[in-house]
Amino acid sequence: GQQLNQSPQSMFIQEGEDVSMNCTSSSIFNTWLWYKQDPGEGPVLLIALYKAGELTSNGRLTAQFGITRKDSFLNISASIPSDVGIYFCAGLAYNTDKLIFGTGTRLQVFP
Amino acid sequence: GAGVSQSPSNKVTEKGKDVELRCDPISGHTALYWYRQSLGQGLEFLIYFQGNSAPDKSGLPSDRFSAERTGGSVSTLTIQRTQQEDSAVYLCASSLVGWAIPQPGELFFGEGSRLTVL
Repeated sequence: GQQLNQSPQSMFIQEGEDVSMNCTSSSIFNTWLWYKQDPGEGPVLLIALYKAGELTSNGRLTAQFGITRKDSFLNISASIPSDVGIYFCAGLAYNTDKLIFGTGTRLQVFP
Repeated sequence: GAGVSQSPSNKVTEKGKDVELRCDPISGHTALYWYRQSLGQGLEFLIYFQGNSAPDKSGLPSDRFSAERTGGSVSTLTIQRTQQEDSAVYLCASSLVGWAIPQPGELFFGEGSRLTVL
C-alpha cells in the first residue's frame, strides 16, 4: 500500500535532548498530521497542519507544513521518558478521503 | 465506552481459515477507516466508509479481503482463506465527518485487532 517516506526510522536519545523527524512525499498534500502511538494502543493525533508554511506548536512539540506541500517536520524539545513511542506523519491530498501514513519513527528516550 | 471499540483484540488462526474483525465506531461518527499495521511498519490504508458506502476500496490487498458497514455504525472486515502474510494489527478509526471538507474531522483510532496466522 501507499506510504509516505519518514525518517529517521528510529532514534535513541537521552532525556533532555531535542528530536527532529521528517516526512516526504512525491505528491502534494493539502493536510499534514502527526500522530503518536503508544505500545498496544491506536495512534493519537498530536498536531494538524492545513496550510503550506504553517508552523504549529503543541506544548514541547512543533510541526511545520513544508512550503512545497510535499513534506512536513516534527520537532520535540527537551524530551522526557514519556515521549517514547512511534510517531507517524499522515497526509491528505486535495478532495480525497484517503489519509496516507508514513512508515513511522520509533523514539526511545533514556534517562 | 466513548471510544472506538474493536474485537477481538487478539486472534490466532490457522492458514486457510476465514476471520472476521469488528469495529464499533464512536456514536455519530459518519466516517470509518480500516488500516493494517504489520510488524515494524507504518499504517497501510485498506478501506474507507462514508455512512454505509465505501467510496474507496483501493487499499484492500486482494479479493480475499472484504468489508461492510451496516446502519452507518458497526463495520466488519472479513479475510477469507487467511495467509501468513495477513498477520498484522488491524486498526479501525472513525471521524465525525469525512476528510474532503475544509476542516477535516479528527481521526480516532481503536486499539486494534492483532491477527496471527499460523
